[in-house]
Amino acid sequence: AQKITQTQPGMFVQEKEAVTLDCTYDTSDPSYGLFWYKQPSSGEMIFLIYQGSYDQQNATEGRYSLNFQKARKSANLVISASQLGDSAMYFCAMREGTSNTGKLIFGQGTTLQVKP
Amino acid sequence: GAVVSQHPSWVICKSGTSVKIECRSLDFQATTMFWYRQFPKQSLMLMATSNEGSKATYEQGVEKDKFLINHASLTLSTLTVTSAHPEDSSFYICSARDWTGPSLGGYTFGSGTRLTVV
Repeated sequence: AQKITQTQPGMFVQEKEAVTLDCTYDTSDPSYGLFWYKQPSSGEMIFLIYQGSYDQQNATEGRYSLNFQKARKSANLVISASQLGDSAMYFCAMREGTSNTGKLIFGQGTTLQVKP
Repeated sequence: GAVVSQHPSWVICKSGTSVKIECRSLDFQATTMFWYRQFPKQSLMLMATSNEGSKATYEQGVEKDKFLINHASLTLSTLTVTSAHPEDSSFYICSARDWTGPSLGGYTFGSGTRLTVV
């Protein structure tokens, strides 16, 4: 069974500094996808970044980058130059396989607070 | 981009009544829809997967008779909470595979429904 683990319930970061949110996963499927989502207090799920299991390079999207270490089964999110608007809950998620019915399973989440 | 419209955004109902939540894909065909439940400050827990024209697949521990899911068309999936009780109060959110965005298909989420049972 697949499993996603986020061990940091809460994190603080000073505005303009970088922060790393940890995520480890466990799966026996060689084909999988890893996602990071941001959930502000409004509840909407905002897609941030995606990493496929066969991707050779770490994914980057603007201020977001994913530190993908396949052998260690970790997919940490790095947010550079933090902004006050980055304060939210962040979820790591995994999809196994490539089928149309691939479920997205979420980690426990990390609440990030950016200090001015 | 792909949009999933979820209604209502919030609902308050009396204990014992049923509540229906709708998710519509506006500009794509959602053959598969996922329904999640989220308690405050907790993770999204997958409740069930619905496929158009067939019965939903429920996750272990989810009461299928209490949470009725119907996916009658390629653009509409509904979740009905039957005989709701205060412990059913939660944030319910749907998600559809939209096959756009990230490689091998991304997911588009509805805006969520906050259910309060009094």
